[in-house]
Amino acid sequence: QQQVKQSPQSLIVQKGGISIINCAYENTAFDYFPWYQQFPGKGPALLIAIRPDVSEKKEGRFTISFNKSAKQFSLHIMDSQPGDSATYFCAASTNSGGSNYKLTFGKGTLLTVNP
Amino acid sequence: SAVISQKPSRDICQRGTSLTIQCQVDSQVTMMFWYRQQPGQSLTLIATANQGSEATYESGFVIDKFPISRPNLTFSTLTVSNMSPEDSSIYLCSHGGAAGYTFGSGTRLTVV
Repeated sequence: QQQVKQSPQSLIVQKGGISIINCAYENTAFDYFPWYQQFPGKGPALLIAIRPDVSEKKEGRFTISFNKSAKQFSLHIMDSQPGDSATYFCAASTNSGGSNYKLTFGKGTLLTVNP
Repeated sequence: SAVISQKPSRDICQRGTSLTIQCQVDSQVTMMFWYRQQPGQSLTLIATANQGSEATYESGFVIDKFPISRPNLTFSTLTVSNMSPEDSSIYLCSHGGAAGYTFGSGTRLTVV
């Protein structure tokens, strides 16, 4: 059973455009939702994370939107740049993402930003 | 979050042999996590390693195939035993912290 569903599988965006990646979860016990960015040959790196007490969190060009009732959250990358080309993973965890609790990952989205 | 050093970064191994992957954290952490990432795929949790106790394995992963050691709060190893080509994958260690989960750079394993 896939607990975190991510879409699209791949995304091509022009430089300066907005990239949007969506995730939906099933487990209502999830209460920590991070996004990871992974470049080829590297481990995933935390990009931004949200907890369900807020509906939106913004850090620079990256914004998470969270809809608790729909059990969905999304990543928006504004003014997308070629350097943003990477694989993006959404994830979810329980217990507010405390360090002793495992992450469940979505399947990933390969983002390509064309110059 | 603490920084993780993982090695080897890559290896090519013969089927039937074993490979041990090491992760060193630059500060003490309670839990460490081992993931597998097959080419172009997501991360699948193999096991959770707590210092001083046996690792907890996820469904589909067993200790005989993926023995884990956690001798102290800064170090862990994952061994991939009796390898077959199906074990070709990227293996990653991770730990959680106040700033989120941090991953090692991964070990790219090819079994021939």
